[in-house]
Amino acid sequence: AQRVTQPEKLLSVFKGAPVELKCNYSYSGSPELFWYVQYSRQRLQLLLRHISRESIKGFTADLNKGETSFHLKKPFAQEEDSAMYYCARLPAGGYNKLIFGAGTRLAVHP
Amino acid sequence: DVKVTQSSRYLVKRTGEKVFLECVQDMDHENMFWYRQDPGLGLRLIYFSYDVKMKEKGDIPEGYSVSREKKERFSLILESASTNQTSMYLCASSKARQEAFFGQGTRLTVV
Repeated sequence: AQRVTQPEKLLSVFKGAPVELKCNYSYSGSPELFWYVQYSRQRLQLLLRHISRESIKGFTADLNKGETSFHLKKPFAQEEDSAMYYCARLPAGGYNKLIFGAGTRLAVHP
Repeated sequence: DVKVTQSSRYLVKRTGEKVFLECVQDMDHENMFWYRQDPGLGLRLIYFSYDVKMKEKGDIPEGYSVSREKKERFSLILESASTNQTSMYLCASSKARQEAFFGQGTRLTVV
């Protein structure tokens, strides 16, 4: 089965500290990977996807095929980064079944 | 502005009732999804649809069915609601292998 694993339910850091939210996926060719974010009382929305190689709100994520990981990183956390973060994947090929991990709550303290 | 709209924000239903959750998108997307969101379990896919009248089971389809008679509308049906179906339900839509756009969610309570 295609799986996405986010091992941490909660990550608690202080403002200005580096952040790394972990995501591992079960190997299956070359999936497409995404990070979605849900701020309090807002809709789930895309943060970034691996093929775009962008940095959004200071976050980056690198696909490591050897480790089957797609960890989300930010060098200096801000209080407004506090949210639920979900890693998601589309399987390789044309199939469009979007699967999510269990999510990690990031709490950034002043 | 892209839009996925779920018909209700909050619903309270009794055990055994038939429940309809409606979702409409205005982006001409082929794919539509229904997830349930529970603390500690993340988003679990119930069903998805890749075209009108086409559907595929997700990871937790038991107790649910879906209907997609028109491209813009995807309905989730609970044939006989049970208390373990109390949850937040999220609808989403996407073009092929593109970003998924989500609705605001329906919080369903079954009493």
